Amino acid sequence: AQSVSQHNHHVILSEAASLELGCNYSYGGTVNLFWYVQYPGQHLQLLLKYFSGDPLVKGIKGFEAEFIKSKFSFNLRKPSVQWSDTAEYFCAVNAKGNNRLAFGKGNQVVVIP
Amino acid sequence: EPEVTQTPSHQVTQMGQEVILRCVPISNHLYFYWYRQILGQKVEFLVSFYNNEISEKSEIFDDQFSVERPDGSNFTLKIRSTKLEDSAMYFCASSEALAGATGELFFGEGSRLTVL
Repeated sequence: AQSVSQHNHHVILSEAASLELGCNYSYGGTVNLFWYVQYPGQHLQLLLKYFSGDPLVKGIKGFEAEFIKSKFSFNLRKPSVQWSDTAEYFCAVNAKGNNRLAFGKGNQVVVIP
Repeated sequence: EPEVTQTPSHQVTQMGQEVILRCVPISNHLYFYWYRQILGQKVEFLVSFYNNEISEKSEIFDDQFSVERPDGSNFTLKIRSTKLEDSAMYFCASSEALAGATGELFFGEGSRLTVL
């Protein structure tokens, strides 16, 4: 079964700082990869996803993620964060053809104005 | 924008009581899911449902749990006899296509269950 690791559960940074959140997964086969975001009091929303093709994926709100197959990683980045990026970020993976998403523990990101 | 809605947002119950959590998936979606997140832990898959039957379930989804699509719009999760360890946030999700294909999951806001 696939599993997902996210490190640095709590991240605090100032506006305009750059953000990078690490995500590593363990699964030997072909996977789909996702980043979900949960803003305070709201539901989980898809930020971006990778199924195939260009390993650099651009999502909403200026976020991007890069799939590095050799490192089993799918790190999330944003060059300049805003206060409104304060949220919890979840990396998730599923095996191709499998309905079951495996989530990481999440990164709680707080952006200080 | 269409969204998944869940009720109740918060339920407090006594251990041993039955609980039903309700979800209204997005109307043209075919696949439905329940996930849960115990405080401080990962979001965990419980069950997926398609064509009026369970398509996959996790080890967590034991005989105490059941799901139903009673009327073509609601999708419910029932816990027959709640335990303390069932306290968690329960998320419903739906997708137009298989999550394992190109299906994007749309999540509800969650139902927080507290078992005393």
